[in-house]
Amino acid sequence: SYELTQPPSVSVSPGQTARITCSGDALPKQYTYWYQQKPGQVPVLVIYRDSERPSGIPERFSGSSSGTTVTLTISGVQAEDEADYYCQSTDTSGTSVVFGGGTKLTVL
Amino acid sequence: QVQLQESGPGLVKPSETLSLTCTVSGGSVSGNYWNWIRQPPGKGLEWIGYIYDSGSTKYNPSLKSRVTISVDTSKNHFSLILSSVTTADTAVYSCVRGYSYGFGQDYFDYWGQGTLVTVSS
Repeated sequence: SYELTQPPSVSVSPGQTARITCSGDALPKQYTYWYQQKPGQVPVLVIYRDSERPSGIPERFSGSSSGTTVTLTISGVQAEDEADYYCQSTDTSGTSVVFGGGTKLTVL
Repeated sequence: QVQLQESGPGLVKPSETLSLTCTVSGGSVSGNYWNWIRQPPGKGLEWIGYIYDSGSTKYNPSLKSRVTISVDTSKNHFSLILSSVTTADTAVYSCVRGYSYGFGQDYFDYWGQGTLVTVSS
């Protein structure tokens, strides 16, 4: 079955830049979405269609793609950004939804 | 503002059937995609499946043989049935709206708060 691969954890100091990657063979052909989930809360969309930012999401969140890897970049990380981040896309058929395993972002 | 609320038993015995309903308010279940997503305690998100256009469905291949998602437009709710459950099916189950942008399902924009279903004898 199709899989998306994320690093389990990323750690950065406040003010630094965090980069969270997501790899999958179908990513060049399918959009990727990124969700932020804080403990006890529902996930929140932070990036859609690879690089679009929903209204209300700070400009420090951005998305990019290169081949089979997409990247969520958080510039000037703040303590409130500490959370789990999940990438989500679809398989090669474009209909079956897949989540990455999630990356825990720790702000040191 | 669309709101989703899950309801159903919080405890299911192994080998039995899990059944949940998601009631939608502030919008219609006609149109858009209506998903079920689960998250085992301390683990990641897993997509279960969706229903759209008041009848067409798509399921996670790993669960397909055990899953049925249906919709009742008269009650403005949709439902999940998962058969032959095991302890591995213990999770928080959430109903989620998938925004339809004409080319298929786009992002997930509205989430229920989720309901914990424990599979145990």
